[in-house]
Amino acid sequence: ETGVTQSPTHLIKTRGQQVTLRCSSQSGHNTVSWYQQALGQGPQFIFQYYREEENGRGNFPPRFSGLQFPNYSSELNVNALELDDSALYLCASSLDKLYGYTFGSGTRLTVV
Amino acid sequence: KNEVEQSPQNLTAQEGEFITINCSYSVGISALHWLQQHPGGGIVSLFMLSSGKKKHGRLIATINIQEKHSSLHITASHPRDSAVYICAVHFQGAQKLVFGQGTRLTINP
Repeated sequence: ETGVTQSPTHLIKTRGQQVTLRCSSQSGHNTVSWYQQALGQGPQFIFQYYREEENGRGNFPPRFSGLQFPNYSSELNVNALELDDSALYLCASSLDKLYGYTFGSGTRLTVV
Repeated sequence: KNEVEQSPQNLTAQEGEFITINCSYSVGISALHWLQQHPGGGIVSLFMLSSGKKKHGRLIATINIQEKHSSLHITASHPRDSAVYICAVHFQGAQKLVFGQGTRLTINP
């Protein structure tokens, strides 16, 4: 049984650029949730995908978008990057929207 | 309002001490998670609870549904236990986890 894999682990981007973060969910899991954790803060819910459909969204602007693929892996896309987007982005997978989450190690994004 | 509060925010102890971290929440839940995060690292799930008590090695987690309170205990603490411990709650009917502020634990040799 594999866990949740996120890539890349670290990334530096320039303000205004676009970024794509990737998440491979744990085997057997069909639900993926994305969280943003700013330095010194708790994680904040971005959105959740269940069977390729968005299943809930937090208080993030539309330039944060996502996809889930038929194999249940997922992408988080952020357009027009701002300095405040610098954070650790966490992906968590689960089965059927239930609460047995497995977390990835995160992608640390730095916007300069 | 769905809220999660942890205490203490910071905790420093000597190796071998018994550690308790507390978590209170506001309304009914489906599940409560205790998570561990090392500096600069991702999150590791330690426990998921909906009732009672769970034990894994030197870690014990308890939950009291009536009092809306959970505790994480570490016995015979070790410097490698130094990390941020986070309580996260899945409120009934919600898609997302709501996270506490975290407790920064430092165990000195």
